[in-house]
Amino acid sequence: EADIYQTPRYLVIGTGKKITLECSQTMGHDKMYWYQQDPGMELHLIHYSYGVNSTEKGDLSSESTVSRIRTEHFPLTLESARPSHTSQYLCASRRGQEAFFGQGTRLTVV
Amino acid sequence: KQEVTQIPAALSVPEGENLVLNCSFTDSAIYNLQWFRQDPGKGLTSLLLIQSSQREQTSGRLNASLDKSSGRSTLYIAASQPGDSATYLCAVENYGQNFVFGPGTRLSVLP
Repeated sequence: EADIYQTPRYLVIGTGKKITLECSQTMGHDKMYWYQQDPGMELHLIHYSYGVNSTEKGDLSSESTVSRIRTEHFPLTLESARPSHTSQYLCASRRGQEAFFGQGTRLTVV
Repeated sequence: KQEVTQIPAALSVPEGENLVLNCSFTDSAIYNLQWFRQDPGKGLTSLLLIQSSQREQTSGRLNASLDKSSGRSTLYIAASQPGDSATYLCAVENYGQNFVFGPGTRLSVLP
């Protein structure tokens, strides 16, 4: 069983605020990912990391940024939240070919 | 660029039925294909992983097949139960690339 945690689970925040979505995994996986998913739609990769100090942008353009200072931690930051950022954000890590997902953070920007 | 589609988009069946979910992909040079389950408002749970050299994988009442040449995979669910109600996602990985997800099939199994 994989352990990957996302906090908060739900967040409602005002426009212009800075927010950080947390993602942590305890399995020592090098590869970690952030996906954005609108209701009823497919997942889109927005950021990924293959290890400490390695970060790349994904297929979907995003105004968010990420960091990977420690293997187990891969936070995502929005410097100035906008209503268009309202979505579900899913974090994942990989062991070999298998992917493990957190429970997601549902973000609403009002 | 890899594109993944899933048919049907939604499916509602009575309990006990056997059912088939379909996944198609455009680039057949895949590394692996994985089926996931997603419950409403939750993350994804991996169900079955099929490597490019394999033709099928089974886990309990689930069986996934892979036909790389035609760019298709099917997920077969036997004797469906209300607890199987969820969205089922197919994801394809090409060599040196990241997963590309399909839009999912939303399944409702009625008691």
